[in-house]
Amino acid sequence: AQSVAQPEDQVNVAEGNPLTVKCTYSVSGNPYLFWYVQYPNRGLQFLLKYITGDNLVKGSYGFEAEFNKSQTSFHLKKPSALVSDSALYFCAVRDTGYSTLTFGKGTMLLVSP
Amino acid sequence: EAQVTQNPRYLITVTGKKLTVTCSQNMNHEYMSWYRQDPGLGLRQIYYSMNVEVTDKGDVPEGYKVSRKEKRNFPLILESPSPNQTSLYFCASSRQPNEKLFFGSGTQLSVL
Repeated sequence: AQSVAQPEDQVNVAEGNPLTVKCTYSVSGNPYLFWYVQYPNRGLQFLLKYITGDNLVKGSYGFEAEFNKSQTSFHLKKPSALVSDSALYFCAVRDTGYSTLTFGKGTMLLVSP
Repeated sequence: EAQVTQNPRYLITVTGKKLTVTCSQNMNHEYMSWYRQDPGLGLRQIYYSMNVEVTDKGDVPEGYKVSRKEKRNFPLILESPSPNQTSLYFCASSRQPNEKLFFGSGTQLSVL
């Protein structure tokens, strides 16, 4: 079975400060990991993915994520937050051999001016 | 423009009245899937399809049906809706399961 956890319901950060949104996963094989963002009253948009290779993955809008196999984590990061980054962020995982994609419960990011 | 189109955007219905939510993509994607989004539960996969005439259950398939007769279309059918199916539904597609998903704008369904 595969699962993903986002331990924080909400993350608050001031504009210009670095941000981290946490994600941990559980799989029996190798993970395929994704981050998606949902802006208010919109559908979800892809940010980045990890399949294999470099542990640091760069994505859209200046976001990046670090894959850590020993800690089974895939935290989303950005060096300098913008107010416009305020949104709901979802981590998702797919185990090798599975065709289903499991999403976390989401983390609301609020960036204050 | 590459897109996933869902209809309707909003739907209010009554218990037991069959309904269909349509989903169409114009990107020639092999993989399509349906999700429901509920507060505190995130997104949960209902059904997915690897290709035409190939569909399979996701994590919460009970009370739903799908079909994939054409590559571009993947309708979600609720034959006898119940209030616990009140939710925000998203259709999504990708070239392959490991590639990024393109999501529709969502369908807010209320079952009274």
